[in-house]
Amino acid sequence: DAGITQSPRHKVTETGTPVTLRCHQTENHRYMYWYRQDPGHGLRLIHYSYGVKDTDKGEVSDGYSVSRSKTEDFLLTLESATSSQTSVYFCAISESGGVNTEAFFGQGTRLTVV
Amino acid sequence: KQEVTQIPAALSVPEGENLVLNCSFTDSAIYNLQWFRQDPGKGLTSLLLIQSSQREQTSGRLNASLDKSSGRSTLYIAASQPGDSATYLCAVGAGSYQLTFGKGTKLSVIP
Repeated sequence: DAGITQSPRHKVTETGTPVTLRCHQTENHRYMYWYRQDPGHGLRLIHYSYGVKDTDKGEVSDGYSVSRSKTEDFLLTLESATSSQTSVYFCAISESGGVNTEAFFGQGTRLTVV
Repeated sequence: KQEVTQIPAALSVPEGENLVLNCSFTDSAIYNLQWFRQDPGKGLTSLLLIQSSQREQTSGRLNASLDKSSGRSTLYIAASQPGDSATYLCAVGAGSYQLTFGKGTKLSVIP
């Protein structure tokens, strides 16, 4: 299994509070991603990073920010959590962005906003 | 915008049967296609990666094919087992190093 650790694995938070999810990798892969998975929508990309301090938006980035200060860590922050952000969040990594790129996923963080 | 469709949404088969899962995509300008397996409450496990220049990839009882020009991929599972029960996800890799996912096929293999 790829060395990807997501923390926390489960979190319940109140509407309006800030929340930070962490993804830590031990593979030294350049690319890191945050996806959310919702019934009826499948997995959708929130943000991704192609290097330290290099990030870009995905399909559903509104209400989320990210930071990557080290190769191994990619943080996802919900500045002010809303009920629509209740979801399962997955971190993924890949070594490169080319045709031979294989993505590996973490175990997920289940976030409930009440 | 790339769209990925997986049919059927759910499939139930008796143990030992060979089966095919389907994936279609709307934009043929892809880098690769990846098949994943997801068990309930778990993360995604990569099964097979097919580069855009390849036609198929095999791993054990699994065989995935890719027809880029028609926007289709199939995942063939031979001699299905109850342990194969899971949701299978197809994802297309394209620009900006992103994956676009289908909604998955939930497979149940009945002993």
